[in-house]
This record gives sequence, C-alpha cells and structure tokens, in this order.
Amino acid sequence: AQSVTQLGSHVSVSEGALVLLRCNYSSSVPPYLFWYVQYPNQGLQLLLKYTSAATLVKGINGFEAEFKKSETSFHLTKPSAHMSDAAEYFCAVTGANNLFFGTGTRLTVIP
Amino acid sequence: DGGITQSPKYLFRKEGQNVTLSCEQNLNHDAMYWYRQDPGQGLRLIYYSQIVNDFQKGDIAEGYSVSREKKESFPLTVTSAQKNPTAFYLCASSTWTGRWNTEAFFGQGTRLTVV
Repeated sequence: AQSVTQLGSHVSVSEGALVLLRCNYSSSVPPYLFWYVQYPNQGLQLLLKYTSAATLVKGINGFEAEFKKSETSFHLTKPSAHMSDAAEYFCAVTGANNLFFGTGTRLTVIP
Repeated sequence: DGGITQSPKYLFRKEGQNVTLSCEQNLNHDAMYWYRQDPGQGLRLIYYSQIVNDFQKGDIAEGYSVSREKKESFPLTVTSAQKNPTAFYLCASSTWTGRWNTEAFFGQGTRLTVV
C-alpha cells in the first residue's frame, strides 16, 4: 500500500528564511502526490499536486515541490517565509481506494 | 460555488447520545471520506465511499456509522459506542479516475465535544 512519511513534526524558521518541509513516499512510484495546508480550526487546502507531468511543481502562495524518484522524496519549499505561512502542512499520496496522509508538520515563523 | 459543506461547525454531545455530522458536496465527486483529527496524530480515516450505496471501513471505524444514499451526501453518525469522540472531524471528496483517486477537497470541519 502507498504511504508517506513526513520528517519533523515541528519546523521553525525566521521570517524571510527558506522553508523546507520533508516528505518521503513509499517505494512504488505513485501517480499523484499532494501537499496540503491547514490553518487552525479549518479544513485542508490543496497547495500543489504532482501528476508525473513535471518533476518540479509550483503551487499557491509561492510554494513549490520537487519530485525525486531516486530519493523517493517530494519536499516542499518556499524561498522566503512569511508570517502568514505559519500553519500545519500535510503530504499525501493517492491509492487505489483511498488517500494516505502523513502525520503533518507544524511550521512556526519567527518574526 | 462548488464545494463541500459540513455542518454544524461546533457540536456538543452528552455522553450516551448519538449525533450525526452532515457532509454535502456539489462537485459531482464519486468518492467521499471522513477523517478524524486529534492533536499530534494527523488525519485518521474513519470511513470512505467510492460509489452510492457502498462504503468501506477505514482505520478507526469502531463506534461510527455512515450512509451513502445519494452521491452528494455522506453523513457520519457518532454512536454512544465511541468512547472518546471529542475531536475535529473532516469530510472530503475526490474524483475517481477508474484506477486512482485524485486530490481531495475538504470541508471546513466539525468540532465535536462531549460534555
């Protein structure tokens, strides 16, 4: 079965610094990979998705992710953190019957 | 606008009572899901449904029940058998390609508290 692992349940960065949130998928290449963002007491919002059309995927709010088959990774990055980026981020992968989510990474942005 | 509507946003339940959480979507999606979210535990799947009148248990289905009588609706009932129901509940839907599910769209969630 498909699965994803998010490394680091909490990440803190200074405002203006690079954001790097890590996600590794299980060994079989998935057809779809996703990153979601969740603000407090709200549902999840899709940031970006990988569909095998391109390895570098650009999303909303300046985020992007690169699919690396050799590393089984799909890390999320943003060049310069903004205070409004503080939230919880989830990596997810599609399966035949379901979507599988990582345990989430809480991003704190320090002014 | 198309989307997923969960209601109510906040719900309080007395111990021993059943409560039903509503989830409606107008995205014409085949698949619908219910997740439970507790602090530090990410999203855990309760039930999912790929088509009308069919649904499957997820990882933590005990104490919960669902129905899928219409494509647009997937209500979740939290029964008195669920020993620790206080949590944030999220409903989602996605398209089924015939082999894979595409990205999920989420409702705004229902926060259930047992009093």
